Amino acid sequence: DARVTQTPRDKVTEMGQEVTMRCQPILGHNTVFWYRQTMMQGLELLAYFRNRAPLDDSGMPKDRFSAEMPDATLATLKIQPSEPRDSAVYFCASGLVLIEGPYNEQFFGPGTRLTVL
Amino acid sequence: GQNIDQPTEMTATEGAIVQINCTYQTSGFNGLFWYQQHAGEAPTFLSYNVLDGLEEKGRFSSFLSRSKGYSYLLLKELQMKDSASYLCAVMDSNYQLIWGAGTKLIIKP
Repeated sequence: DARVTQTPRDKVTEMGQEVTMRCQPILGHNTVFWYRQTMMQGLELLAYFRNRAPLDDSGMPKDRFSAEMPDATLATLKIQPSEPRDSAVYFCASGLVLIEGPYNEQFFGPGTRLTVL
Repeated sequence: GQNIDQPTEMTATEGAIVQINCTYQTSGFNGLFWYQQHAGEAPTFLSYNVLDGLEEKGRFSSFLSRSKGYSYLLLKELQMKDSASYLCAVMDSNYQLIWGAGTKLIIKP
């Protein structure tokens, strides 16, 4: 049963600390997405990768957020330094995007609930 | 700009039918998705429409009119477990999903 995994599931930290969230996409998927979800903003796309190359990170505050994909089995989202307004649920999703094909479902991981005090 | 509109909240009765509407304005169109998200959980895929018309899948159906920039999700024979948020998302010309804010559906006995 292939699924996207994320660690940690919950993270409580203090303002100013570094936070690293990890995601293992489904094997064979070539696209990885990072989303942030809050009650106020809904689901926001932060960044996404295709074949490990960053395609769009315009939704991400560049001064404190960074996203990388060191290999095909690992994507990371880092916040340094963290702030209380970063408190949210961060979802990773993966999918197989074939330009020739119209169907591109995204499979979501369980999310990381981040609380910055 | 790109925009997806759907109602914030809807209430329906167990056993009844409910229709959740979604209107969109995006740069390009490569399909419309509906996702279900239970409180505290991740979104899960419900349906995909790329051509005009109705797609039926059990108790759930999804309709698309590309000329009107409009879709709806129809839920029949509502069950208490259908209480969730329903997210409409459109794939634009860059194959990127543009998400609506979601419709919270409350089912009452």
